[in-house]
Amino acid sequence: DAKTTQPNSMESNEEEPVHLPCNHSTISGTDYIHWYRQLPSQGPEYVIHGLTSNVNNRMASLAIAEDRKSSTLILHRATLRDAAVYYCILRDRWGNNRLAFGKGNQVVVIP
Amino acid sequence: EAQVTQNPRYLITVTGKKLTVTCSQNMNHEYMSWYRQDPGLGLRQIYYSMNVEVTDKGDVPEGYKVSRKEKRNFPLILESPSPNQTSLYFCASSISDGEKLFFGSGTQLSVL
Repeated sequence: DAKTTQPNSMESNEEEPVHLPCNHSTISGTDYIHWYRQLPSQGPEYVIHGLTSNVNNRMASLAIAEDRKSSTLILHRATLRDAAVYYCILRDRWGNNRLAFGKGNQVVVIP
Repeated sequence: EAQVTQNPRYLITVTGKKLTVTCSQNMNHEYMSWYRQDPGLGLRQIYYSMNVEVTDKGDVPEGYKVSRKEKRNFPLILESPSPNQTSLYFCASSISDGEKLFFGSGTQLSVL
């Protein structure tokens, strides 16, 4: 199964952009790149996903490297509510759905 | 409201007493999955189901059973719970492969 690698933790100042990296060097052509986050005492929530092109939504932007071996989740203006564990995972479009979330990246937002 | 509903929210039981954690989704999703979350280990997949009557093992299936008799329900069964199954459990669903996952609020299970 394709795996991802993320930093264990990161700090960011409030109201500044945050760039969360993710390496997935063994990604296959049919893998979507998904990002989820988990706030304290809650279930994970979807943030964004993409296949090849960069993606934007109201929560964040996803920048995907041209070779697709890495991606970056961008929070444009961090708020205290963005303090969470962020997970980068790969989802196979065609049936292999053994999803490995890993330990994620703990983002701390400093007021 | 579109949601994944897990019950119960908290459960304390004793070793060997069979239990079932229910999961239901109201979005007509094909894919459903169970995860457990333990400190320092992140989220680990227990079982998943691609559709009715189709289930498969995840990374940590030992000691668990699942069934998918109806599209909306995906119960997690612990036939003989042991203390090492004390954990926070999450159910999730998505419309199909590759699409975004919706998670339930979690079930905190303690096995004494």
